[in-house]
Amino acid sequence: DVVLTQTPVSLSVTLGDQASISCGSSQSLVYSDGNTYLKWYLQKPGQSPQLLIYEVSNRLSGVPDRFIGSGSGTDFTLKISRVEPEDLGVYYCFQATHDPWTFGGGTKLELK
Amino acid sequence: EVQLMETGGGLVQPGKALKLTCATSGFTFSTAWMNWVRQSPEKGLEWIARIKPKSTNYATEYAESVKGRFTISRDDSKSSIYLQMNSLKEEDTATYYCIGWFAYWGQGTLVTVSS
Repeated sequence: DVVLTQTPVSLSVTLGDQASISCGSSQSLVYSDGNTYLKWYLQKPGQSPQLLIYEVSNRLSGVPDRFIGSGSGTDFTLKISRVEPEDLGVYYCFQATHDPWTFGGGTKLELK
Repeated sequence: EVQLMETGGGLVQPGKALKLTCATSGFTFSTAWMNWVRQSPEKGLEWIARIKPKSTNYATEYAESVKGRFTISRDDSKSSIYLQMNSLKEEDTATYYCIGWFAYWGQGTLVTVSS
C-alpha cells in the first residue's frame, strides 16, 4: 500500500502567518494517464473533511487563493499564506492513484 | 444543494452484521464514483470501498481490511449507496462517511462494535 507521510504532525501559527505542510509518498503518484491524483482535505472541528485541492494544485471552486498546492512524483506541499481563523483544523493529503487509496496521518494547524 | 445522509449506524456485537445507507441529492448520482471512508482515533481516515457507475458494470474495489466481509452497492433509482457489513470486529468501530466523487461528504454515522 502507498504510505503518505505528513510533516509536521502539528503546526502552531499566528494569524496572518504562512503555513507549510509536506506530504511524502512511498511511491510515485503519477498515474498511467499522466495525472497525479493527490488531493488535500481540511477537517474542521466537529465537521467532515472538505476537499481543498485536487490533482496536486487545482483549487476547488470557492477555495481561497491563499491555499497553494504543489509538488510532483513523491513530494507534495500545501502552503497557506496569511492564515485566517477559519483555516484551523486538521489537514490530510490523500492519494487516488494506487489501490488501495490512502490518506496521510494528518497535520493539525492551530494557533500559537 | 448537494446532500449526503448516512444512516444505519449503532452499537453491534462482534460477529454480527449491520447495513449502512447513504441517500444523496443535488448532484448527478448515476455517473458518480461513490465511496465509503471511515475514521477512528486509532487508524485515522481509511478508505474502505468504492463503486463506479453503470458504465463500468458497477465495478467495486475494497480495502484489504474489509474485503470479503463488507459489500458496497448502489441503487441509481434512489440515488443511494449501501454498505453491508458482516462479521463485524471491534476494530471496525469508527465513524463511516459516504463520499461522492471526492468532494461531497456526508456527516458520518458512528458504528460501535462491542460486546
